Amino acid sequence: AQKVTQAQTEISVVEKEDVTLDCVYETRDTTYYLFWYKQPPSGELVFLIRRNSFDEQNEISGRYSWNFQKSTSSFNFTITASQVVDSAVYFCALSEGHGNEKLTFGTGTRLTIIP
Amino acid sequence: DGGITQSPKYLFRKEGQNVTLSCEQNLNHDAMYWYRQDPGQGLRLIYYSQIVNDFQKGDIAEGYSVSREKKESFPLTVTSAQKNPTAFYLCASSREGDTDTQYFGPGTRLTVL
Repeated sequence: AQKVTQAQTEISVVEKEDVTLDCVYETRDTTYYLFWYKQPPSGELVFLIRRNSFDEQNEISGRYSWNFQKSTSSFNFTITASQVVDSAVYFCALSEGHGNEKLTFGTGTRLTIIP
Repeated sequence: DGGITQSPKYLFRKEGQNVTLSCEQNLNHDAMYWYRQDPGQGLRLIYYSQIVNDFQKGDIAEGYSVSREKKESFPLTVTSAQKNPTAFYLCASSREGDTDTQYFGPGTRLTVL
């Protein structure tokens, strides 16, 4: 069975600090997909990134970066120079196999950026 | 503008009443999903549909029902059999072939009094 663990329930940092959100996953499949979503106070989940299991290359998008390490089954998310608008709940999710498979979500990390 | 709409944003019902939550998408996506979110928890899958007139149970389907008569619509009924219906409900959709990237609607917060 697949599982996603986000051990950090809540994190608070001062604006402009860097912050890393941890995600550890479990799966028996060799083909799988990892995701990060952002949930601002409005409630809607905003898609941030999808990574497949065959692509371990780290990705950077502006102030966001993702570190995928199969050796430790981790897919960590770093925000550089954090801003108040980054305050939200962030979810890591896993999908096994191909096609429209269901997502398994972690319990989320609530990030608060202090001005 | 393409997107997923859910209505209403807030919904109040008396205990014992069935209630139907709306989810509509104009993204031409084949697959649609319903999730439930409780405070401090991740999302849990209720039902999903990969094609019109077909749907499958997710992890917590008991007390819920769905229909998929049109590609654009995937309404969720919360029945009186659902023991703890108060929650935040999120609908999502994805393209067939766009392996698993699900896009979410704004959600409906259901409170049963």
